[in-house]
Amino acid sequence: RKEVEQDPGPFNVPEGATVAFNCTYSNSASQSFFWYRQDCRKEPKLLMSVYSSGNEDGRFTAQLNRASQYISLLIRDSKLSDSATYLCVVTSNQAGTALIFGKGTTLSVSS
Amino acid sequence: GAVVSQHPSRVICKSGTSVKIECRSLDFQATTMFWYRQFPKQSLMLMATSNEGSKATYEQGVEKDKFLINHASLTLSTLTVTSAHPEDSSFYICSARREGVNTEAFFGQGTRLTVV
Repeated sequence: RKEVEQDPGPFNVPEGATVAFNCTYSNSASQSFFWYRQDCRKEPKLLMSVYSSGNEDGRFTAQLNRASQYISLLIRDSKLSDSATYLCVVTSNQAGTALIFGKGTTLSVSS
Repeated sequence: GAVVSQHPSRVICKSGTSVKIECRSLDFQATTMFWYRQFPKQSLMLMATSNEGSKATYEQGVEKDKFLINHASLTLSTLTVTSAHPEDSSFYICSARREGVNTEAFFGQGTRLTVV
């Protein structure tokens, strides 16, 4: 089993749609969780950290279920500029240093 | 502005030559930096953890003699791809995190290596 698994893409949605991405991780010792965004041929950039209580940042909501080792990202009112690859990221060990990336889910928002 | 700077952004080299990639943390000291590789339509794969003043820790399947890592200062780590072959062509990205458990990782701009 891969350390981080994500929904296969691509997701093609119209502007204004709500879209949800799911992710599971295998290392129960992981302590930190993130969603990163990667645009084509660019480096990843942090979208948001994911906390146990769930957290929201504008149109983006992230949730974590430690018992199920499951992370989600919800994007409401999709914009054209949301088109990118979304990477589910967890830490690799108890020291919480190296980040392990999922394969990513590609989102394409069209007008 | 960039917090982590990576250079060069793009390099084309002949098979059998070596290529050095630099990664610098610009406004914080990084005792640990990370090197990733990404093939087209694949995820970022951790290659190695670079430790300032000591040997790098390589992930399983990554040849330490082929991918030489040097972390001589708290702001600079280098990755040298030795005797490069076409199959080494990939997108190499470095990363550094500030101290702490839940801190953001900053990435360099990446280096697109093409070996011909």
